[in-house]
Amino acid sequence: ETGVTQTPRHLVMGMTNKKSLKCEQHLGHNAMYWYKQSAKKPLELMFVYSLEERVENNSVPSRFSPECPNSSHLFLHLHTLQPEDSALYLCASSQDPWRSNEKLFFGSGTQLSVL
Amino acid sequence: SQQGEEDPQALSIQEGENATMNCSYKTSINNLQWYRQNSGRGLVHLILIRSNEREKHSGRLRVTLDTSKKSSSLLITASRAADTASYFCATDQPNSGGYQKVTFGTGTKLQVIP
Repeated sequence: ETGVTQTPRHLVMGMTNKKSLKCEQHLGHNAMYWYKQSAKKPLELMFVYSLEERVENNSVPSRFSPECPNSSHLFLHLHTLQPEDSALYLCASSQDPWRSNEKLFFGSGTQLSVL
Repeated sequence: SQQGEEDPQALSIQEGENATMNCSYKTSINNLQWYRQNSGRGLVHLILIRSNEREKHSGRLRVTLDTSKKSSSLLITASRAADTASYFCATDQPNSGGYQKVTFGTGTKLQVIP
């Protein structure tokens, strides 16, 4: 248990569906991250939030829409996805994104399949 | 863009043997970290080595860093079946935004055979 909880653990959706991934951290951290992990590819950083403000949007298509209502919660809203978006989506948090030598705490991920 | 690249991609050893994984990266870094991931789960932080350090130990883990060669190695001694997992190096490099941007490699898949 790392203190970062992701729901759901598995999600199957059609290309026309709208769904949301949820992440909650219980560590009192100020930064939250979304990463995408596809088979045989490096983890891709998607978004970085610091105190609810987005500081990084790593050229992610607009069909992925993040939301950070407070420093403990992070959402990823999904709509009109493509089959190639099927992947493990990982949420992470850290204490302070402006400070180096910080380690990331990851949730268990949401395994997303787009049909 | 990919920063770290692990080698080998896969490694299979007998329980009790040592496992060595290597990581190469491309640009200057603040630090380098190693993470472990069990199948279908999130990553767990193992160890962090700063750019001004050359070697670090934590239990059965030994990490080295050679900034002149832009490479790092992770050694797991006296491996156990429970060490079976994927291992990733991650680098925290300076960026124009000023925040911590941690990028990962593709990982080494380690299998320890009982």
